[in-house]
Amino acid sequence: DIVMTQSPDSLAVSLGERATISCKSSQSVLYNSNNKNYLAWYQQKPGQPPRLLINWASTRESGVPDRFSGSGSGTDFTLTISSLQAEDVAVYFCHQYYDTPPTFGQGTKLEIK
Amino acid sequence: EVQLVESGGGLVQPGGSLELSCVPSGLTVTSNYMSWVRQAPGRGLEWVSVISSGGTTYYADSVKGRFTISRDKPENTLYLQMNSLRAEDTAVYYCARGQTVIRDLYYFYYLDVWGKGTTVTVSS
Repeated sequence: DIVMTQSPDSLAVSLGERATISCKSSQSVLYNSNNKNYLAWYQQKPGQPPRLLINWASTRESGVPDRFSGSGSGTDFTLTISSLQAEDVAVYFCHQYYDTPPTFGQGTKLEIK
Repeated sequence: EVQLVESGGGLVQPGGSLELSCVPSGLTVTSNYMSWVRQAPGRGLEWVSVISSGGTTYYADSVKGRFTISRDKPENTLYLQMNSLRAEDTAVYYCARGQTVIRDLYYFYYLDVWGKGTTVTVSS
């Protein structure tokens, strides 16, 4: 199974500041033939189900604010929130769908400093 | 708007059984990849099972032989039959739709729509 490792486990950022979350996969999730990374990011607020934010490592879902961006390729990926808002307090998960079984990172808890 | 509503969770003793249901609105279960994902208290997400649009089923090793995913076309409902339940199966169980992509003649999927979940507690 592909192991997804996120860092840090928790993060406190001031309102309006940048938040950066890292995700590393134990093997590449890049398919060279189409140059696509099979990597998604989810946001989970307390008491709610996960919400898909980004797929293909960098494609925002419809309705996701543009302060959220994804980057990276191969085994190293980053979710960036350019200017943290109060409503961004949540746990963020990365997810690989390159191989079976699909696997998730352990989550990064984002709080306001 | 596509929505998924799970039900059937509850308290069950170790070794017992439970059947979860997921009723969608805005989609047909037989036309989509449908998955179950669980989240133990205070923990991360664990993929449990998926049924393809063609009816092929896949399971996590942790539930293989104990859980069965199925669907009912007339009822447009997804199910998860859980037998021989263990304490470690305690979790919120989410139903989710898989958005499929083809690669090398195989289907892969990310989960784009999730239900609110139903809670399963396995305890004596």
